[in-house]
Amino acid sequence: NAGVTQTPKFRILKIGQSMTLQCAQDMNHNYMYWYRQDPGMGLKLIYYSVGAGITDKGEVPNGYNVSRSTTEDFPLRLELAAPSQTSVYFCASSYATRGAETQYFGPGTRLLVL
Amino acid sequence: SQELEQSPQSLIVQEGKNLTINCTSSKTLYGLYWYKQKYGEGLIFLMMLQKGGEEKSHEKITAKLDEKKQQSSLHITASQPSHAGIYLCGADTGTGANNLFFGTGTRLTVIP
Repeated sequence: NAGVTQTPKFRILKIGQSMTLQCAQDMNHNYMYWYRQDPGMGLKLIYYSVGAGITDKGEVPNGYNVSRSTTEDFPLRLELAAPSQTSVYFCASSYATRGAETQYFGPGTRLLVL
Repeated sequence: SQELEQSPQSLIVQEGKNLTINCTSSKTLYGLYWYKQKYGEGLIFLMMLQKGGEEKSHEKITAKLDEKKQQSSLHITASQPSHAGIYLCGADTGTGANNLFFGTGTRLTVIP
């Protein structure tokens, strides 16, 4: 299994540009998550999904959109990039049952908005 | 809102020394997860604790969840350069879809 994969690894955007961060998992997990990690800070939850077709907001959803058309994929969309969105973005997935197992994290996408 | 404090924020130790990292929650924890992160990489799962008083060990790393389930400690015995990295605790407070709230991390440097 590849686990959780993310693309791209690194991206520079200009203010106002848009982009999609890709996330895929091959573990047949129902739950998927997007976090952002700012320097010196912990991870903040942006959006999550409990299954295909179902998404919900996390702690810091403003400026982002997600979709979950398949179990495997959970892309994160930035419509109008702002400098405040400069961060490292992590995608994670887990089984549905609370406490059954940990979340598995992708390697991250480093985004710089100038 | 959930508050999850980690201490210390950074730690520099000589190789071979023992060390402890703490994670304190303002709410009761239904699960406490410890992760390790190397610079530029994703999070690697270390251990999960659920029951008050529970203690788990893996190689030279031991984690414990206190009886009241609001604090966890991570202890490394005889530290090695390979232990260097950022240690993050993640808390399941029983809300949302297995959402985890994360501490700010502890940056560990081990000097050979």
